[in-house]
Amino acid sequence: EPEVTQTPSHQVTQMGQEVILRCVPISNHLYFYWYRQILGQKVEFLVSFYNNEISEKSEIFDDQFSVERPDGSNFTLKIRSTKLEDSAMYFCASSRDSSFNQPQHFGDGTRLSIL
Amino acid sequence: RKEVEQDPGPFNVPEGATVAFNCTYSNSASQSFFWYRQDCRKEPKLLMSVYSSGNEDGRFTAQLNRASQYISLLIRDSKLSDSATYLCVVSSSSNTGKLIFGQGTTLQVKP
Repeated sequence: EPEVTQTPSHQVTQMGQEVILRCVPISNHLYFYWYRQILGQKVEFLVSFYNNEISEKSEIFDDQFSVERPDGSNFTLKIRSTKLEDSAMYFCASSRDSSFNQPQHFGDGTRLSIL
Repeated sequence: RKEVEQDPGPFNVPEGATVAFNCTYSNSASQSFFWYRQDCRKEPKLLMSVYSSGNEDGRFTAQLNRASQYISLLIRDSKLSDSATYLCVVSSSSNTGKLIFGQGTTLQVKP
């Protein structure tokens, strides 16, 4: 069964540094998402992306965050200047479209630890 | 009111028991509803979509009550492998695919 893959599985970074999280969505999917989950808390939406544009972003997704689909297969999340509170699991997801009852498939996540 | 609300549990049940989880959501314009399962420190995995007429997949039955904005999941004949956190997930009304997650209900099935 096709799956969403994410790299790295664990990233440790000093506060203030830039970090790029990578995702390869399922190949025939057109909608891409990033979510995060702080330890012990619920999964939170960050951003949705379609047709090379952000279609929706949350309040968490401020100017320090950006997304890109640089080469037609990878989907990246960049955090420019990391803060301690950015420490979380980051999940990439993809779906064929955003229509009714179209489920999203999640990658196994990148654990980001900010020191 | 929280956008998606679940009883966090934990629910501790013996193998073979039937257990039910409930969830309420605040946005009446939501169109899509799901139950996901999450094992400790792993990604959410789709368990089942939830349809207005109710639907069943093996030992799992999901129900949706739009009037009450209430979703349920019933697990029959619990197995040890059912131990996990069950996430109630609702689509936003924005049609961008944004999913809103509940905090999850933890199930521990004991031998």
